[in-house]
Amino acid sequence: AQSVTQPDIHITVSEGASLELRCNYSYGATPYLFWYVQSPGQGLQLLLKYFSGDTLVQGIKGFEAEFKRSQSSFNLRKPSVHWSDAAEYFCAVGAITGANNLFFGTGTRLTVIP
Amino acid sequence: ETGVTQTPRHLVMGMTNKKSLKCEQHLGHNAMYWYKQSAKKPLELMFVYNFKEQTENNSVPSRFSPECPNSSHLFLHLHTLQPEDSALYLCASSQEGGPNTGELFFGEGSRLTVL
Repeated sequence: AQSVTQPDIHITVSEGASLELRCNYSYGATPYLFWYVQSPGQGLQLLLKYFSGDTLVQGIKGFEAEFKRSQSSFNLRKPSVHWSDAAEYFCAVGAITGANNLFFGTGTRLTVIP
Repeated sequence: ETGVTQTPRHLVMGMTNKKSLKCEQHLGHNAMYWYKQSAKKPLELMFVYNFKEQTENNSVPSRFSPECPNSSHLFLHLHTLQPEDSALYLCASSQEGGPNTGELFFGEGSRLTVL
């Protein structure tokens, strides 16, 4: 069965510190992988995506993620967190067949302290 | 501004009311979606429309009724809801069949409270 696990419900980091959000997936076919961010009172916004090719993908706002097939992981990273990065982050896995087959994780809430 | 607009942003309704949520996308996409977002749960896909045709209905109760009159507009009609239907309802669109297949653009959501 397809599933996405984000093991950290809530993470707190200091501004300027590095960040890594974990995502593990279970998927029967070649996965398409996404990270979305949701600021308070907003909808979800795509940060980055992996379809194929280079396993290290760059996204908006200075985020990057690395696809590791052997570990079924797609962790999100940022070298230096800004206060405006405080939000909820969702990992999602899907298939080439389209967004109607997209599975989302339960999200990780990021708090940034000054 | 994501190009997907939802109204109303907030809605409070009684269990016997009838109301509708509206979504409009200005991106020229060919697919639109309704998702339900509840605390501590993954996003739940409710309905999918590709080229105005409904292609998915993930066992959603009949008290939720979607309508897609054209490729830019999507409605969710609500009637005789239950308190457990209180949630954030997100509309999204995507361009399926090309290099951006699977990439969703979300509206800001309609926060629904059922009393």
